[in-house]
Amino acid sequence: GESVGLHLPTLSVQEGDNSIINCAYSNSASDYFIWYKQESGKGPQFIIDIRSNMDKRQGQRVTVLLNKTVKHLSLQIAATQPGDSAVYFCAERVTGNQFYFGTGTSLTVIP
Amino acid sequence: NAGVTQTPKFQVLKTGQSMTLQCAQDMNHEYMSWYRQDPGMGLRLIHYSVGAGITDQGEVPNGYNVSRSTTEDFPLRLLSAAPSQTSVYFCASLGQGNYGYTFGSGTRLTVV
Repeated sequence: GESVGLHLPTLSVQEGDNSIINCAYSNSASDYFIWYKQESGKGPQFIIDIRSNMDKRQGQRVTVLLNKTVKHLSLQIAATQPGDSAVYFCAERVTGNQFYFGTGTSLTVIP
Repeated sequence: NAGVTQTPKFQVLKTGQSMTLQCAQDMNHEYMSWYRQDPGMGLRLIHYSVGAGITDQGEVPNGYNVSRSTTEDFPLRLLSAAPSQTSVYFCASLGQGNYGYTFGSGTRLTVV
């Protein structure tokens, strides 16, 4: 089946720096993508989404970029804070309400 | 709104025992699903339901049963627990026009 993968399993950044987390997807027909944040011991939380007819979407301190040519997603976090330390993973909608989830990148913010 | 509520948060079972993981949502969402999360793997879909009385299998359904008698509740049953079912289980729901899942806080299950 289709799968979503991440380039790096771990990422460490200094507090205040920008973070970039990458995701590769394989289904060119996927029309909708979501980034989730999962803190230790908690369920995943929706951060930001993007439809396939867009290439960029901004939220509060977060930006998602979509490159359909190379089937790549990225999540940019500006001015990373200690509270941003978590596992981040992307999800692609492959059909209806069905999503495939990536394995996740663990972000550690160094004070 | 409480969102999606899962119980219990932790459970230890012996091989062969049965149990039910509870999931309830108060958002009137039609779509509900169960995922398992294992180290190094993404969330994998076990079973899902598009509404009361309707359920279907996901990617890894073996060893699990579900039912959906009401919109609010979607329990997951393990009939005869196996060590391979040691995992963290998440219930999620999705409403009309809401494109992102709302997840519960998870149940950490250990089968010994």
